[in-house]
This record gives sequence, C-alpha cells and structure tokens, in this order.
Amino acid sequence: DGGITQSPKYLFRKEGQNVTLSCEQNLNHDAMYWYRQDPGQGLRLIYYSQIVNDFQKGDIAEGYSVSREKKESFPLTVTSAQKNPTAFYLCASSIPGRGNQPQHFGDGTRLSIL
Amino acid sequence: DAKTTQPPSMDCAEGRAANLPCNHSTISGNEYVYWYRQIHSQGPQYIIHGLKNNETNEMASLIITEDRKSSTLILPHATLRDTAVYYCIVKTDGSARQLTFGSGTQLTVLP
Repeated sequence: DGGITQSPKYLFRKEGQNVTLSCEQNLNHDAMYWYRQDPGQGLRLIYYSQIVNDFQKGDIAEGYSVSREKKESFPLTVTSAQKNPTAFYLCASSIPGRGNQPQHFGDGTRLSIL
Repeated sequence: DAKTTQPPSMDCAEGRAANLPCNHSTISGNEYVYWYRQIHSQGPQYIIHGLKNNETNEMASLIITEDRKSSTLILPHATLRDTAVYYCIVKTDGSARQLTFGSGTQLTVLP
C-alpha cells in the first residue's frame, strides 16, 4: 500500500541533544512538509520542500533543519537550539502544481524531553 | 486563504447521519473546501474536497451552498470509529505550502 511512514512513533531527547525524525513516502509525491502540533492546537508549518534538493522555511523553522536528497525522504532534525521541542510532529506529502490535490499525512512522531 | 468557523463539538448517535457544518463566508472564487479528520494521536486523514458542486466518495458527502459561503460534511452512517476532530479548510491549492488547521469540531459518536 502507498503511504507515508514516520519513525519512530515515540522519541525522547536529552538536553543539548540533536534528534532526527524520519519521514518516507512511496506515493511518488514531489512535495513534502513537516508540521508541529501542540496539545489542543492546530498544525504549524516547520519546513516544506517542493522538489528534491530544495526546501523552504515555514512559520516556525528556528531550531529545526531538514534535507531532501531523495524524493522519497524528508528527514527533520530537531536541534539543541529548539528550546521547546516537546510536541507531535507530522509529515505530509502532496503533488504540487496540480491545482486541488490534497496533502496526505503520516501517523506522526511524539517527541518528549527527558 | 479564507477563514473558517466550525462548532467546537457535536454528538451523533451511532448509525445516524452526522452533519458537520462549516462557515466560510469570505471564500473567494478559486478556493476549494477541504475536510480532514484527526483521531487522537494519529495524523490527519483527508476526507473530501470540493469547489462548488456537491461531492461524494466512499467516506462522506460534501454539500456546498450555492453562494459557497458555507458547507456541510455528511457522514451517512456514523460509527464509533468516526469519533474524531473534523477540520474544514479553505485554500486555493491543496498542495501548495501549508494547510491552516483551525480548532475544528470534536465529533463524538455515541453508542
């Protein structure tokens, strides 16, 4: 089945440590996105990528970094500079430039601080 | 993108139709209406979208008023597994940049 796989489902970070969240899709979508969701709130965009080797900052990019070396993969690194990283992280993908095509989401990674 | 207004919560009896309203009075002519839902601790699930005509798929029906200022998502025979937060989003291009999720409607299907 085609879809978006995020791993791990749960992740714990120590103070001062960088952690990387994985996102893989086999939908052949060009565009991929990372969102952050805090309890009881909507989604906020961290980074997005419309094509391989290119990505743009979203609304809350500080303390995060991404790479897009392959079409299928869009890993997110939460750096030690992100002072409040505890949240639910969601990856999405879509077909850009096709007018009304929806985004499809993975099942998320829940990050907590030890 | 136009702003949407949804009731914070609704209940529905199992087996009955769930009708979830959304107001988007500032929608412009090239903006689509999208519906997603999110079950606790899972990623949002795409349900349906439309521009001006009513739409139906295997999950739900979307009814958009003629003036496009409001819409209703209909789950024809709600089950307990339909309990979730439902989000109505208005956007010009569903794939470009970000989706703006508001606070949505918490639908609780009661046995």
